[in-house]
Amino acid sequence: AQSVSQHNHHVILSEAASLELGCNYSYGGTVNLFWYVQYPGQHLQLLLKYFSGDPLVKGIKGFEAEFIKSKFSFNLRKPSVQWSDTAEYFCAVIRGSQGNLIFGKGTKLSVKP
Amino acid sequence: GAVVSQHPSWVICKSGTSVKIECRSLDFQATTMFWYRQFPKQSLMLMATSNEGSKATYEQGVEKDKFLINHASLTLSTLTVTSAHPEDSSFYICSARGQGGRDNSPLHFGNGTRLTVT
Repeated sequence: AQSVSQHNHHVILSEAASLELGCNYSYGGTVNLFWYVQYPGQHLQLLLKYFSGDPLVKGIKGFEAEFIKSKFSFNLRKPSVQWSDTAEYFCAVIRGSQGNLIFGKGTKLSVKP
Repeated sequence: GAVVSQHPSWVICKSGTSVKIECRSLDFQATTMFWYRQFPKQSLMLMATSNEGSKATYEQGVEKDKFLINHASLTLSTLTVTSAHPEDSSFYICSARGQGGRDNSPLHFGNGTRLTVT
């Protein structure tokens, strides 16, 4: 079955720690990849997206993600998290240019001040 | 785990007709549901937030008379696209948050509905 897997359900970090959230998908061929964030009390916001080109994608608020085709992965990273990064993070995949958007189950990030 | 069922997964309709999309929480009670649409190669756009038993809150620019949202029960929200036009063709996806409406309760997504208006 088609799927998007986010390995960590809940990640707890201290401020200034480095972050890496895993995302794997199970499709071959062309994919478009997204990371979304939902801060408490707000709706989804796009952090970054990959369609083509440089597999290292830089997004807002210091986040980046690397598309590794051979590993079917699109992990999200941030070198130094802040308390304000506390939120829920969702990886999503579109298969092909017109495929439907499939979300992972999300990872809750809690950053301790 | 919790599941959100969205139906239909795809629909083709003629211009001028109305289409209803259902979003059901199968094993939890969803006090809040969100409706999004996505155009090709673009990010999700929040259309509206619906809370059970009250009127939906629409985002700026979204026509509430065209996109009717009903959240009549804790397990069902519907989006009706009225008098559909080709420009309404898009991917619509719902998400639901569990009872209590706490921000830290999990958010679950439906599989989306691909609407094509001919």
